[in-house]
Amino acid sequence: ILNVEQSPQSLHVQEGDSTNFTCSFPSSNFYALHWYRWETAKSPEALFVMTLNGDEKKKGRISATLNTKEGYSYLYIKGSQPEDSATYLCAFATSSNAGGTSYGKLTFGQGTILTVHP
Amino acid sequence: DTEVTQTPKHLVMGMTNKKSLKCEQHMGHRAMYWYKQKAKKPPELMFVYSYEKLSINESVPSRFSPECPNSSLLNLHLHALQPEDSALYLCASSQRGFGTMNTGELFFGEGSRLTVL
Repeated sequence: ILNVEQSPQSLHVQEGDSTNFTCSFPSSNFYALHWYRWETAKSPEALFVMTLNGDEKKKGRISATLNTKEGYSYLYIKGSQPEDSATYLCAFATSSNAGGTSYGKLTFGQGTILTVHP
Repeated sequence: DTEVTQTPKHLVMGMTNKKSLKCEQHMGHRAMYWYKQKAKKPPELMFVYSYEKLSINESVPSRFSPECPNSSLLNLHLHALQPEDSALYLCASSQRGFGTMNTGELFFGEGSRLTVL
């Protein structure tokens, strides 16, 4: 069973604050790391798919980094806005069929619930 | 059209009922997925169809029966469910077939909220 851990579980920030959260995943047999944003009553929406160690991706005020050797990814939000309030999920895909998993199958973390107060 | 459409949004059923959840995408995606999510837990994979064939069944009880009639449609047939099966059921699709060099993102529907009485 693969373990994907996200921290913190929830976060409250004020509008304009910058924030970041962490996704930890197994450092062996890495294939890909996904980040999704899930707003209440909507569908989860992909933010980034990252595959290379040291990769850094950016979309507007949101960016993510990836360290596959130590098994973590950070998601940063600069100048948080109320519309950034959502659950942020990461998901890890392994390159191995070991442990009952399947090549390319995504295992999700529990998510970080972000609330941005005006 | 970049949407995955799920119906119904809400479903309440008794333990003896037979019902179905439906999922549709018209993006030409070759893999489709069913996930189950219980409150405050991560989405858990149930089934994967790739090129309309069942690729993964995560040891899901037989009271859940998936069906992929064509490349755009994915159904989940429900029969004799238990109250603990109450959850949000998410459908997703991805561009390439599952198990290939597929690092592509998943496109999700909004989910079907199922309550079993």
